[in-house]
Amino acid sequence: NAGVTQTPKFQVLKTGQSMTLQCAQDMNHEYMSWYRQDPGMGLRLIHYSVGAGITDQGEVPNGYNVSRSTTEDFPLRLLSAAPSQTSVYFCASSYQTGASSPLHFGNGTRLTVT
Amino acid sequence: GESVGLHLPTLSVQEGDNSIINCAYSNSASDYFIWYKQESGKGPQFIIDIRSNMDKRQGQRVTVLLNKTVKHLSLQIAATQPGDSAVYFCAENETGGFKTIFGAGTRLFVKA
Repeated sequence: NAGVTQTPKFQVLKTGQSMTLQCAQDMNHEYMSWYRQDPGMGLRLIHYSVGAGITDQGEVPNGYNVSRSTTEDFPLRLLSAAPSQTSVYFCASSYQTGASSPLHFGNGTRLTVT
Repeated sequence: GESVGLHLPTLSVQEGDNSIINCAYSNSASDYFIWYKQESGKGPQFIIDIRSNMDKRQGQRVTVLLNKTVKHLSLQIAATQPGDSAVYFCAENETGGFKTIFGAGTRLFVKA
Protein backbone atom coordinates (compact mmCIF):
# COMPACT_ATOMS: atom_id res chain seq x y z
CA ASN A 1 0.00 0.00 0.00
CA ALA A 2 1.95 3.02 -1.28
CA GLY A 3 -0.56 5.72 -0.26
CA VAL A 4 -0.26 8.90 -2.33
CA THR A 5 2.55 8.92 -4.90
CA GLN A 6 3.74 12.07 -6.61
CA THR A 7 6.12 12.32 -9.55
CA PRO A 8 8.51 13.88 -10.27
CA LYS A 9 10.13 14.88 -6.96
CA PHE A 10 11.96 17.81 -8.54
CA GLN A 11 11.43 19.76 -11.76
CA VAL A 12 12.96 22.84 -13.34
CA LEU A 13 11.06 24.62 -16.11
CA LYS A 14 11.67 27.67 -18.23
CA THR A 15 9.01 30.36 -18.40
CA GLY A 16 6.34 29.38 -20.89
CA GLN A 17 6.97 25.65 -20.79
CA SER A 18 4.21 23.23 -19.91
CA MET A 19 4.27 20.14 -17.76
CA THR A 20 2.10 17.73 -15.82
CA LEU A 21 2.58 16.82 -12.18
CA GLN A 22 1.41 13.29 -11.55
CA CYS A 23 -0.50 12.08 -8.51
CA ALA A 24 -1.79 8.58 -7.84
CA GLN A 25 -3.37 6.98 -4.78
CA ASP A 26 -4.08 3.32 -4.11
CA MET A 27 -6.48 3.75 -1.18
CA ASN A 28 -9.65 3.98 -3.29
CA HIS A 29 -10.24 7.49 -1.99
CA GLU A 30 -12.96 9.50 -3.71
CA TYR A 31 -11.63 12.92 -2.71
CA MET A 32 -8.35 14.28 -4.09
CA SER A 33 -6.82 17.72 -4.06
CA TRP A 34 -3.76 19.76 -5.00
CA TYR A 35 -2.04 22.32 -2.77
CA ARG A 36 0.92 24.59 -3.22
CA GLN A 37 3.22 25.54 -0.36
CA ASP A 38 5.31 28.68 -0.43
CA PRO A 39 7.89 29.79 2.20
CA GLY A 40 6.27 31.29 5.27
CA MET A 41 2.80 30.39 4.10
CA GLY A 42 0.52 27.54 4.71
CA LEU A 43 -0.82 25.25 2.05
CA ARG A 44 -3.16 26.85 -0.45
CA LEU A 45 -5.74 24.80 -2.31
CA ILE A 46 -5.44 24.85 -6.10
CA HIS A 47 -8.06 22.36 -7.31
CA TYR A 48 -9.97 19.45 -5.86
CA SER A 49 -12.09 16.52 -7.01
CA VAL A 50 -14.86 14.68 -5.19
CA GLY A 51 -14.83 11.75 -7.60
CA ALA A 52 -13.98 10.59 -11.10
CA GLY A 53 -15.18 13.09 -13.67
CA ILE A 54 -15.75 15.88 -11.15
CA THR A 55 -13.30 18.72 -10.46
CA ASP A 56 -13.61 22.19 -8.96
CA GLN A 57 -11.49 25.22 -8.17
CA GLY A 58 -9.81 25.97 -4.87
CA GLU A 59 -8.28 29.21 -3.58
CA VAL A 60 -5.60 29.70 -6.24
CA PRO A 61 -6.66 27.92 -9.46
CA ASN A 62 -5.33 30.36 -12.08
CA GLY A 63 -2.64 28.89 -14.32
CA TYR A 64 -3.49 25.28 -13.45
CA ASN A 65 -5.74 22.65 -14.97
CA VAL A 66 -6.82 19.30 -13.59
CA SER A 67 -8.75 16.27 -14.73
CA ARG A 68 -9.99 13.14 -12.95
CA SER A 69 -10.59 10.34 -15.41
CA THR A 70 -10.05 7.60 -12.82
CA THR A 71 -10.43 7.31 -9.06
CA GLU A 72 -6.70 6.68 -8.68
CA ASP A 73 -5.16 9.55 -10.68
CA PHE A 74 -5.39 13.31 -10.39
CA PRO A 75 -2.80 15.08 -12.59
CA LEU A 76 -2.09 18.81 -12.34
CA ARG A 77 -1.19 20.62 -15.54
CA LEU A 78 0.72 23.86 -15.92
CA LEU A 79 -0.02 25.11 -19.44
CA SER A 80 2.49 27.98 -19.51
CA ALA A 81 4.77 28.07 -16.50
CA ALA A 82 5.53 31.38 -14.79
CA PRO A 83 8.13 32.20 -12.10
CA SER A 84 5.25 32.83 -9.68
CA GLN A 85 4.48 29.13 -9.90
CA THR A 86 7.78 28.22 -8.28
CA SER A 87 6.63 26.30 -5.25
CA VAL A 88 6.30 22.90 -3.63
CA TYR A 89 3.18 21.09 -4.78
CA PHE A 90 1.36 18.53 -2.67
CA CYS A 91 -1.32 16.12 -3.72
CA ALA A 92 -3.69 14.76 -1.07
CA SER A 93 -6.60 12.35 -0.84
CA SER A 94 -9.22 11.38 1.70
CA TYR A 95 -11.81 8.62 1.94
CA GLN A 96 -14.77 10.84 2.61
CA THR A 97 -16.14 13.54 0.39
CA GLY A 98 -17.21 16.81 1.94
CA ALA A 99 -13.63 17.26 3.18
CA SER A 100 -14.59 16.06 6.67
CA SER A 101 -11.91 13.43 7.04
CA PRO A 102 -8.12 13.75 7.31
CA LEU A 103 -6.06 14.26 4.19
CA HIS A 104 -3.32 11.84 3.20
CA PHE A 105 -0.49 13.69 1.49
CA GLY A 106 2.19 12.72 -0.95
CA ASN A 107 5.77 13.89 -0.40
CA GLY A 108 5.54 16.73 -2.87
CA THR A 109 7.02 17.98 -6.13
CA ARG A 110 9.47 20.86 -5.86
CA LEU A 111 9.05 23.02 -8.97
CA THR A 112 11.34 25.85 -10.02
CA VAL A 113 10.41 28.11 -12.94
CA THR A 114 13.23 30.27 -14.30
CA GLY B 1 -12.11 36.47 4.18
CA GLU B 2 -12.15 33.19 6.00
CA SER B 3 -8.78 32.18 7.34
CA VAL B 4 -6.96 30.07 9.84
CA GLY B 5 -3.96 31.61 11.52
CA LEU B 6 -1.40 30.92 14.20
CA HIS B 7 -0.24 33.15 17.05
CA LEU B 8 3.41 32.02 17.14
CA PRO B 9 5.49 31.26 14.06
CA THR B 10 8.22 29.45 16.09
CA LEU B 11 8.29 27.64 19.40
CA SER B 12 11.35 26.33 21.19
CA VAL B 13 10.97 23.87 24.07
CA GLN B 14 13.22 21.72 26.19
CA GLU B 15 13.06 17.98 25.69
CA GLY B 16 10.63 16.50 28.18
CA ASP B 17 8.60 19.68 28.58
CA ASN B 18 5.05 20.08 27.32
CA SER B 19 4.42 22.08 24.14
CA ILE B 20 1.38 24.15 23.30
CA ILE B 21 0.74 25.34 19.76
CA ASN B 22 -2.10 27.78 19.24
CA CYS B 23 -4.34 28.55 16.29
CA ALA B 24 -7.10 31.08 15.66
CA TYR B 25 -9.79 30.62 13.07
CA SER B 26 -12.30 33.12 11.75
CA ASN B 27 -14.93 31.06 9.95
CA SER B 28 -17.73 30.39 12.41
CA ALA B 29 -19.21 27.85 9.95
CA SER B 30 -16.19 25.55 10.33
CA ASP B 31 -17.08 22.34 12.09
CA TYR B 32 -14.07 20.08 11.66
CA PHE B 33 -10.52 20.90 12.69
CA ILE B 34 -7.32 19.00 12.09
CA TRP B 35 -3.70 19.24 13.17
CA TYR B 36 -0.95 18.14 10.81
CA LYS B 37 2.78 17.65 11.35
CA GLN B 38 5.22 18.29 8.53
CA GLU B 39 8.82 17.11 8.69
CA SER B 40 11.44 18.46 6.35
CA GLY B 41 11.09 17.18 2.81
CA LYS B 42 7.83 15.39 3.46
CA GLY B 43 4.14 16.02 3.11
CA PRO B 44 1.96 16.94 6.09
CA GLN B 45 0.93 14.03 8.27
CA PHE B 46 -2.33 13.80 10.22
CA ILE B 47 -1.95 14.04 14.00
CA ILE B 48 -5.38 14.51 15.50
CA ASP B 49 -8.76 15.99 14.67
CA ILE B 50 -11.79 17.33 16.48
CA ARG B 51 -15.34 18.15 15.51
CA SER B 52 -17.24 21.19 16.68
CA ASN B 53 -19.50 19.18 19.00
CA MET B 54 -16.46 18.47 21.19
CA ASP B 55 -14.12 20.74 23.14
CA LYS B 56 -11.32 18.28 23.86
CA ARG B 57 -9.89 15.19 22.29
CA GLN B 58 -6.87 13.16 23.36
CA GLY B 59 -4.50 10.95 21.45
CA GLN B 60 -1.17 9.42 22.27
CA ARG B 61 0.80 12.29 23.93
CA VAL B 62 -1.32 14.85 22.08
CA THR B 63 -4.45 16.73 23.07
CA VAL B 64 -6.48 19.14 20.97
CA LEU B 65 -8.64 21.77 22.63
CA LEU B 66 -11.36 23.69 20.84
CA ASN B 67 -12.89 26.90 22.13
CA LYS B 68 -15.69 27.87 19.76
CA THR B 69 -16.57 30.97 21.74
CA VAL B 70 -13.30 32.66 20.87
CA LYS B 71 -12.59 30.59 17.75
CA HIS B 72 -9.38 29.15 19.15
CA LEU B 73 -7.72 25.79 18.70
CA SER B 74 -4.65 24.43 20.45
CA LEU B 75 -2.43 21.38 20.21
CA GLN B 76 -0.74 20.16 23.35
CA ILE B 77 2.17 17.73 23.11
CA ALA B 78 3.16 16.03 26.35
CA ALA B 79 6.80 15.20 27.15
CA THR B 80 8.09 16.69 23.92
CA GLN B 81 10.74 14.63 22.19
CA PRO B 82 13.37 15.52 19.55
CA GLY B 83 11.28 13.62 17.01
CA ASP B 84 8.50 16.14 17.55
CA SER B 85 10.58 18.86 15.89
CA ALA B 86 8.62 19.85 12.80
CA VAL B 87 6.19 22.41 11.43
CA TYR B 88 2.66 22.07 12.74
CA PHE B 89 -0.40 23.23 10.82
CA CYS B 90 -3.96 23.64 11.93
CA ALA B 91 -6.64 23.28 9.30
CA GLU B 92 -10.39 23.71 9.14
CA ASN B 93 -13.32 22.45 7.09
CA GLU B 94 -16.69 24.04 6.73
CA THR B 95 -19.95 22.18 7.07
CA GLY B 96 -20.85 20.68 3.69
CA GLY B 97 -17.72 22.16 2.17
CA PHE B 98 -15.05 20.45 0.14
CA LYS B 99 -12.12 22.68 1.00
CA THR B 100 -9.61 22.18 3.79
CA ILE B 101 -8.08 25.56 4.66
CA PHE B 102 -4.66 25.63 6.33
CA GLY B 103 -3.03 28.08 8.66
CA ALA B 104 0.50 29.39 8.09
CA GLY B 105 2.21 26.89 10.44
CA THR B 106 4.32 26.92 13.60
CA ARG B 107 7.84 25.54 13.68
CA LEU B 108 8.59 23.57 16.83
CA PHE B 109 12.21 23.20 17.96
CA VAL B 110 12.99 20.67 20.66
CA LYS B 111 16.23 21.29 22.54
CA ALA B 112 18.01 18.25 23.91
